[in-house]
Amino acid sequence: GAVVSQHPSRVICKSGTSVKIECRSLDFQATTMFWYRQFPKQSLMLMATSNEGSKATYEQGVEKDKFLINHASLTLSTLTVTSAHPEDSSFYICSARGQRTQGANYGYTFGSGTRLTVV
Amino acid sequence: AQKVTQAQTEISVVEKEDVTLDCVYETRDTTYYLFWYKQPPSGELVFLIRRNSFDEQNEISGRYSWNFQKSTSSFNFTITASQVVDSAVYFCALSGRVSTGYQKVTFGIGTKLQVIP
Repeated sequence: GAVVSQHPSRVICKSGTSVKIECRSLDFQATTMFWYRQFPKQSLMLMATSNEGSKATYEQGVEKDKFLINHASLTLSTLTVTSAHPEDSSFYICSARGQRTQGANYGYTFGSGTRLTVV
Repeated sequence: AQKVTQAQTEISVVEKEDVTLDCVYETRDTTYYLFWYKQPPSGELVFLIRRNSFDEQNEISGRYSWNFQKSTSSFNFTITASQVVDSAVYFCALSGRVSTGYQKVTFGIGTKLQVIP
């Protein structure tokens, strides 16, 4: 139980285009979704937190107009990187929290990550 | 504010040696959770353990053990008889309640463990 599917796992896009990353909770209702970014050899930095049906809360320094987060349902959250530039190249990973998440990692289940390369 | 410090950025050990990864945390919350995650080269985060701040019992799971000491705000992770497959980056993390009401997970910088055959 408590599986989070993140898609795509890898994406290469041209500078100036937009990329959408999906995060789905497969067997539980994710009341809260977290989006992280990880630069090479660095830690995971929280970008934003979204609760289903409400606007995402962005961490300081994260441009909300550039990183659009939608959490329209209890099983799906999307992160759209708009007008991507090479400096946006990074590893993006989502985490989902549900009220009754099953399994040992209660409350914090991570997707497998998306490696974005902007050329 | 929450903070997680993993002072060891890289560790190399020879296979079968024991190794301890240090984690020190800071939080003002009285209720919080501590985690350890493993990130192999493929990138996904593998959950290892979650510990409630009220539970200071040490835990052992196979070759893995964790030592939680609230008095020193530490949550150290020991791998006994290390194996090459243990090579990965290990993250210590902390979650607590922030002013907006939801729990936020703060990660340490990670410790890269290399087990040499």
